[in-house]
Amino acid sequence: AQKVTQAQTEISVVEKEDVTLDCVYETRDTTYYLFWYKQPPSGELVFLIRRNSFDEQNEISGRYSWNFQKSTSSFNFTITASQVVDSAVYFCALSEALRAAGNKLTFGGGTRVLVKP
Amino acid sequence: EAQVTQNPRYLITVTGKKLTVTCSQNMNHEYMSWYRQDPGLGLRQIYYSMNVEVTDKGDVPEGYKVSRKEKRNFPLILESPSPNQTSLYFCASRGGGQGPEKLFFGSGTQLSVL
Repeated sequence: AQKVTQAQTEISVVEKEDVTLDCVYETRDTTYYLFWYKQPPSGELVFLIRRNSFDEQNEISGRYSWNFQKSTSSFNFTITASQVVDSAVYFCALSEALRAAGNKLTFGGGTRVLVKP
Repeated sequence: EAQVTQNPRYLITVTGKKLTVTCSQNMNHEYMSWYRQDPGLGLRQIYYSMNVEVTDKGDVPEGYKVSRKEKRNFPLILESPSPNQTSLYFCASRGGGQGPEKLFFGSGTQLSVL
């Protein structure tokens, strides 16, 4: 069975600090996909990134960066120079092969990030 | 505008009173699904539908029903709601051949069962 663990339930930082969100996953599949979503206070879910299991390159998008390490089954997310607008709940998620029936996302419990001015 | 519309946004009800949360998408998507979000548990899939008249259980289907009579609509039915179904519910859809990153989520329905 698939499982995603986000051990940090809440992180509080002061603006401009960096913050790293941990995500550890379990799966028996050799091909899988990892995701990060952001849920701002307004409640909607915003897709941030998808990473394939066979692509371990780290990725940077503006102030966001992701570190995928298959050896430790981790897919960590760093926000550099955090801003108040980054305050949200962040979810890590895992999916089996894209064509599988149902194709569901297995979510972690989420990490609430509070960025104080 | 491409969107997934859920109604209502907020709902307070009492134990045992049947209710329906509607979900409609305007993107001609084949795949639709329902998730519930609970603190510390993230989102968990309730039911999904690969196409019209094709539905299947997710991880937490107990106490819920769904139907998919038309492509655009995928209502979530609680025949006899109980307090443990108090949660934030999300409907989502995507094209048949697309991956989960293409999921469009609705704005959510906050349900409280007293």
